[in-house]
Amino acid sequence: DVKVTQSSRYLVKRTGEKVFLECVQDMDHENMFWYRQDPGLGLRLIYFSYDVKMKEKGDIPEGYSVSREKKERFSLILESASTNQTSMYLCASSPPGQGYNEQFFGPGTRLTVL
Amino acid sequence: AQSVTQLGSHVSVSEGALVLLRCNYSSSVPPYLFWYVQYPNQGLQLLLKYTSAATLVKGINGFEAEFKKSETSFHLTKPSAHMSDAAEYFCAVSNQAGTALIFGKGTTLSVSS
Repeated sequence: DVKVTQSSRYLVKRTGEKVFLECVQDMDHENMFWYRQDPGLGLRLIYFSYDVKMKEKGDIPEGYSVSREKKERFSLILESASTNQTSMYLCASSPPGQGYNEQFFGPGTRLTVL
Repeated sequence: AQSVTQLGSHVSVSEGALVLLRCNYSSSVPPYLFWYVQYPNQGLQLLLKYTSAATLVKGINGFEAEFKKSETSFHLTKPSAHMSDAAEYFCAVSNQAGTALIFGKGTTLSVSS
């Protein structure tokens, strides 16, 4: 079974703090993704990566950056957290392909910025 | 550009009743379509996917969906709802480049006894 793990289930941070959200997958997938999920807005793609050290902006990259130094790990960084970044963050991974491969999701990190 | 619209943010059914969750898509290329389910405090889990092999797709937990090109729809159905089906459901379409998924806003399914 594919396993995608996220470093924390719940996180509380203060405005202005630098925040790291970590995601690790154990199936040697090339593609990894970060989404945020907000009520009534569904999932919105922040960044994705299709290879080590490669990254692509998604629909809402502002205020975020990412790092992928190893194939199995994809980190989301909030350089200076703000209250409007309070949300559920979901990481996913998938094998390479032409869009028909399913994404496997982690359990999510619920981030609260005070 | 690809997009997905889920009709109805909240659907309520009685246990044993038919479940119908609606999804319409817009795509400039033959689409790959997915339904995911999210149980409370969990990540998303794939229910089923359409990849052009068959228009009627069967998934897990008794769910199925039919791809209708003429209606640009991919509605999710289950003949008989169970209490354990209460969850949030997301329809998604692959983007044009095939590199990411575009999700709908989700439909919360409530099941009453």
